[in-house]
Amino acid sequence: NAGVTQTPKFQVLKTGQSMTLQCAQDMNHEYMSWYRQDPGMGLRLIHYSVGAGITDQGEVPNGYNVSRSTTEDFPLRLLSAAPSQTSVYFCASSYQGRLFFGSGTQLSVL
Amino acid sequence: GNSVTQMEGPVTLSEEAFLTINCTYTATGYPSLFWYVQYPGEGLQLLLKATKADDKGSNKGFEATYRKETTSFHLEKGSVQVSDSAVYFCALIGSYIPTFGRGTSLIVHP
Repeated sequence: NAGVTQTPKFQVLKTGQSMTLQCAQDMNHEYMSWYRQDPGMGLRLIHYSVGAGITDQGEVPNGYNVSRSTTEDFPLRLLSAAPSQTSVYFCASSYQGRLFFGSGTQLSVL
Repeated sequence: GNSVTQMEGPVTLSEEAFLTINCTYTATGYPSLFWYVQYPGEGLQLLLKATKADDKGSNKGFEATYRKETTSFHLEKGSVQVSDSAVYFCALIGSYIPTFGRGTSLIVHP
């Protein structure tokens, strides 16, 4: 049982580049979300989705886009990377209030 | 809105010491409460949960009791091990968007 799968695990970008962080879950969960984790800041919600075709902004959405065309996939797009987006990113799905997290993507923007 | 406050870390203990990590919350209604644990280089995983007042969640020797009168969900363990070294997050969920504390780092020395 794969659970929540994130790719890549590590990524280095130059300022201004774009990229997509992939997230897939095989548990048929309706709710999915993206967080970023920074030292001393805990987890901050970027975007979330309550089902295919439905997305909404979290606490820190600027500079990120999401889409949810299927229940399984919830990619996060960085439109024009900035050094402030250097962080560890986690995707999560949820069932009955319990979150299931991926193993994270460590992103550095130079 | 909802909020979760955790004691700041790091908490440094010797092996077999007693552990308490304080967590208090502010929420409307009757949220479910969670503790998640994050080991180095990994995503968060559920440690325990409680869904109503006076419930006690427990797992791997850790316990926490949902105290509505003090709006608290303190995490305790009677005898910590080196392998318990991790970051611990308190969280609540009222509707469907979780609210996390900032995390408390626990370091256990042999």
